[in-house]
Amino acid sequence: QKEVEQNSGPLSVPEGAIASLNCTYSDRGSQSFFWYRQYSGKSPELIMFIYSNGDKEDGRFTAQLNKASQYVSLLIRDSQPSDSATYLCAVRGRGSTLGRLYFGRGTQLTVWP
Amino acid sequence: DAGITQSPRYKITETGRQVTLMCHQTWSHSYMFWYRQDLGHGLRLIYYSAAADITDKGEVPDGYVVSRSKTENFPLTLESATRSQTSVYFCASSDVMDGYTFGSGTRLTVV
Repeated sequence: QKEVEQNSGPLSVPEGAIASLNCTYSDRGSQSFFWYRQYSGKSPELIMFIYSNGDKEDGRFTAQLNKASQYVSLLIRDSQPSDSATYLCAVRGRGSTLGRLYFGRGTQLTVWP
Repeated sequence: DAGITQSPRYKITETGRQVTLMCHQTWSHSYMFWYRQDLGHGLRLIYYSAAADITDKGEVPDGYVVSRSKTENFPLTLESATRSQTSVYFCASSDVMDGYTFGSGTRLTVV
């Protein structure tokens, strides 16, 4: 069973701050990583994916991957109240489970005005 | 409409009844998935399918049945509903190397 662990939260930051969401995974050979955002009462939506070590930026969002440490993170700069949601980390399987994503339990983020 | 749709959005049923949740996608994605989401458990995979007529169990398959006779449809049936199956059910689809796209979910209550 592939393990994906996220900092349990909840995480609370003031508007304008940087929110840092962290995720570790157990399978050292994992290659593809995804971040989903889920608003309360809604379905998860894909916001970022990253395959290579380093940083990947998309607007206010930056995904960071360190395969040696088996660590992936999501930074949200200039956090807004509209960023308040649960963020799910997901890791793609390998071999016979290549088509599957393994999800962490999520970190609830609250951005207060 | 293009996308992935689930029906019904809400369902209340009685213990012991058979219930079928529907999922339809228009992208011809090869993979389709059924998850349930409960407080404290996160997303748990019930069943998934890599292609038409190919299905496989996930983490919590007991009490559920799936079929996939057509690529675009992946219905989930609760053969004899129990209160423990009260949950929010999400269907998702993807191509093999992409992320999932989720449907809007079905909130099922078993009384």
